[in-house]
Amino acid sequence: EAGVAQSPRYKIIEKRQSVAFWCNPISGHATLYWYQQILGQGPKLLIQFQNNGVVDDSQLPKDRFSAERLKGVDSTLKIQPAKLEDSAVYLCASSYGLAGTTDTQYFGPGTRLTVL
Amino acid sequence: GNSVTQMEGPVTLSEEAFLTINCTYTATGYPSLFWYVQYPGEGLQLLLKATKADDKGSNKGFEATYRKETTSFHLEKGSVQVSDSAVYFCALSDYDYKLSFGAGTTVTVRA
Repeated sequence: EAGVAQSPRYKIIEKRQSVAFWCNPISGHATLYWYQQILGQGPKLLIQFQNNGVVDDSQLPKDRFSAERLKGVDSTLKIQPAKLEDSAVYLCASSYGLAGTTDTQYFGPGTRLTVL
Repeated sequence: GNSVTQMEGPVTLSEEAFLTINCTYTATGYPSLFWYVQYPGEGLQLLLKATKADDKGSNKGFEATYRKETTSFHLEKGSVQVSDSAVYFCALSDYDYKLSFGAGTTVTVRA
């Protein structure tokens, strides 16, 4: 079974530029998550999708971050414009069950973003 | 709110040594508790979990027991190998089913 795929693996941009990350979850997984992991900290949930609908985006800085999951499969996370403090690893995870369960989350390898 | 505090690293051990990583939590309800591991260059993987008090999670020689009285979920392994070198994260999932992670502990095992 293929795992969660993410691209790119690394991205370096200058502040005020925009950037997009892509995630392909495990086939058949209904719930998809985006996390931000700043160096030295644990992952922090940004947004959670169930199929193509948003379940929770309370921690997403909506003035600069946006995410979508068209057709309930792949997802993209965008930052526009980026700030220095956005430098982090962005992790995508998926789980089989619907939101509101403790189903195991499977994580992708992450995208390491550096903002100069 | 919910939070997880885990032992600061880095931790460096010799092969076959005993490993303990302390983890304590604060939660509103009765959370499920998890240990995730991140090997170099790989994504986070679930190592073990426990869903209620006194449950013991185990996998790959690692164990952790859910202690409600001390709000702890310490990770232990009796004899570590070089291949156990990784970053270990303690996490909880409470009534809202969201994962809250600790800061992670880097473990390096030397041959």
